[in-house]
Amino acid sequence: EVQLVQSGAEVKKPGESLKISCKGSGYSFTTYWIGWVRQMPGKGLEWMAIIYPGDFDTRYSPSFQGQVTISVDKSISTAYLQWSSLKASDTAMYYCARTPSITSGYFDYWGQGTLVTVSS
Amino acid sequence: SYELTQPPSVSVSPGQTASITCSGDKLGDKYTCWYQQKPGQSPVLLIFQDSQRPSGIPERFSGSNSGNTATLTISGTQAMDEADYYCQAWDSRNAVFGGGTKLTVL
Repeated sequence: EVQLVQSGAEVKKPGESLKISCKGSGYSFTTYWIGWVRQMPGKGLEWMAIIYPGDFDTRYSPSFQGQVTISVDKSISTAYLQWSSLKASDTAMYYCARTPSITSGYFDYWGQGTLVTVSS
Repeated sequence: SYELTQPPSVSVSPGQTASITCSGDKLGDKYTCWYQQKPGQSPVLLIFQDSQRPSGIPERFSGSNSGNTATLTISGTQAMDEADYYCQAWDSRNAVFGGGTKLTVL
């Protein structure tokens, strides 16, 4: 069974750093792209970044370029999203999801979401 | 940057057909997919590659894509279909989501 299991909820202060994770299982981790999607409270889905574990090829949405860093550890089938300095506006639910292609693909499996709260 | 436009809300009576549109420049030249999201849950893939249904998705969900508009059609809408729906496509290797449509079944 394909699963993407994300790390737990986080409460952070502005200016702090954070790294959240997404562990894949039940499939060949290196043959699917893993992307991250933000959903701010009461708002829609926003694609942030994506990585191919097979060769570490990476793409960022222009809206998030320079704001976050996506990475992966193939040895433990885990993808990460990290911030170096959080802002209150980073408060949101973050989902990871996999896709077979970044030209014609679709996100067929999603993680359960990681709620990040940034507040002083 | 590429944009996908959806109506913020659509209402439908139980048993009737609901249509949710997604508009973008030459969207018909791209593959579009659709997701359903219920409150407090992760999105679920409903339609991929314009009109394909993943296993487990009821036949009442169908999709089409032509010109500048993709359409998600829900036939025989049920109360359980009340949710937010998002379209998604790729443009220059960037994923783009529509703003979402809240479907109300009343």
